Amino acid sequence: QKEVEQNSGPLSVPEGAIASLNCTYSDRGSQSFFWYRQYSGKSPELIMFIYSNGDKEDGRFTAQLNKASQYVSLLIRDSQPSDSATYLCAVNAGGGNKLTFGTGTQLKVEL
Amino acid sequence: EAGVTQSPTHLIKTRGQQATLRCSPISGHTSVYWYQQALGLGLQFLLWYDEGEERNRGNFPPRFSGRQFPNYSSELNVNALELEDSALYLCASSLGTVLRAGELFFGEGSRLTVL
Repeated sequence: QKEVEQNSGPLSVPEGAIASLNCTYSDRGSQSFFWYRQYSGKSPELIMFIYSNGDKEDGRFTAQLNKASQYVSLLIRDSQPSDSATYLCAVNAGGGNKLTFGTGTQLKVEL
Repeated sequence: EAGVTQSPTHLIKTRGQQATLRCSPISGHTSVYWYQQALGLGLQFLLWYDEGEERNRGNFPPRFSGRQFPNYSSELNVNALELEDSALYLCASSLGTVLRAGELFFGEGSRLTVL
């Protein structure tokens, strides 16, 4: 079992819709969770982080964490073509600042 | 403020050679991380340096090594290059505190091609 799992996609959503990206992790001791966005040919950039169960909102982005289910998700409201990218889920199990990344979900927002 | 800078941007080597990649973190960041991004495999953690010391390493053979200098810049060395070492090598920096540990700022990467 992979430590951090994501559906590779592509996930296609129409412009203006809500995009829902999901991630599961295997280490129950994981303490902090991150979403990075990577445009094609570019390096990853941090867009959200969440440490506690529940929802965390930042503009059009909402991160959701359910530690009991070992599940973290990212919702993007009012999706725009500029949101088309690969979204990487990353988990820090608390052991030495090592972030473990999923392989990413490719999101395509279509006009 | 300058971001994380990496050099070279591209590097072509042949099997058995050595490659050296360099990274300068954001000013004020003490932690430097190296990741390998090979096609279809996602980001694989290589090494973490903080305050000049290697703090953690991923599941890579010893021919992957590096160091961090007193000015917090870092270099990654890959010895005895193999074809499967061809990948994008990403350096990231962070403040180094436990709370901010996962908030990484990435450089644009060094593309290593092994022929």
